[in-house]
Amino acid sequence: EAQVTQNPRYLITVTGKKLTVTCSQNMNHEYMSWYRQDPGLGLRQIYYSMNVEVTDKGDVPEGYKVSRKEKRNFPLILESPSPNQTSLYFCASRKQGRLDTGELFFGEGSRLTVL
Amino acid sequence: DAKTTQPPSMDCAEGRAANLPCNHSTISGNEYVYWYRQIHSQGPQYIIHGLKNNETNEMASLIITEDRKSSTLILPHATLRDTAVYYCIVRPIYNQGGKLIFGQGTELSVKP
Repeated sequence: EAQVTQNPRYLITVTGKKLTVTCSQNMNHEYMSWYRQDPGLGLRQIYYSMNVEVTDKGDVPEGYKVSRKEKRNFPLILESPSPNQTSLYFCASRKQGRLDTGELFFGEGSRLTVL
Repeated sequence: DAKTTQPPSMDCAEGRAANLPCNHSTISGNEYVYWYRQIHSQGPQYIIHGLKNNETNEMASLIITEDRKSSTLILPHATLRDTAVYYCIVRPIYNQGGKLIFGQGTELSVKP
């Protein structure tokens, strides 16, 4: 089954404790992206990657890092989480280039609470 | 900023057609109209997209006006499971930056 898998789905942590949210897709997609969703602010893009070793900032990259060492994985790293990073996070992927139909496949989300 | 305008909420009776409008008066010639939906904090799900012709798939139909300044997503026989937030998005195909700009969407409530 084609899917984007995120882990953990739920996490409560404390300020300053480094954490990583993993994202993996099994569709051989070149493009991957992270979004966060907050009430009243909608979905906002954090980082994206158009292929292995190629990453770029989205609209709200502050406080986050990403890496793309393998095509299937795109982890989101919070080096020193703060309460304003409490949010619902989504990873997404799609084909890139001429095979891009614009259809983004989303993971089920990771709900993060930073105390 | 989102380039589309949608009503914030709509109701629909179960079994009836749900017609969700979207205004995209500044759409460019190379931009497609996409529809996604999000069921209660799950990941958004792609529904359909089109350029200028009407499109239909197993989930819905998309009607785009001739001037392409607005469109309507039609769920022909709405069920309770169609209760969700529906997002209308415009985006150039082969957009290398790849960002989909999600606005506030329309919250559709399907009622028994």
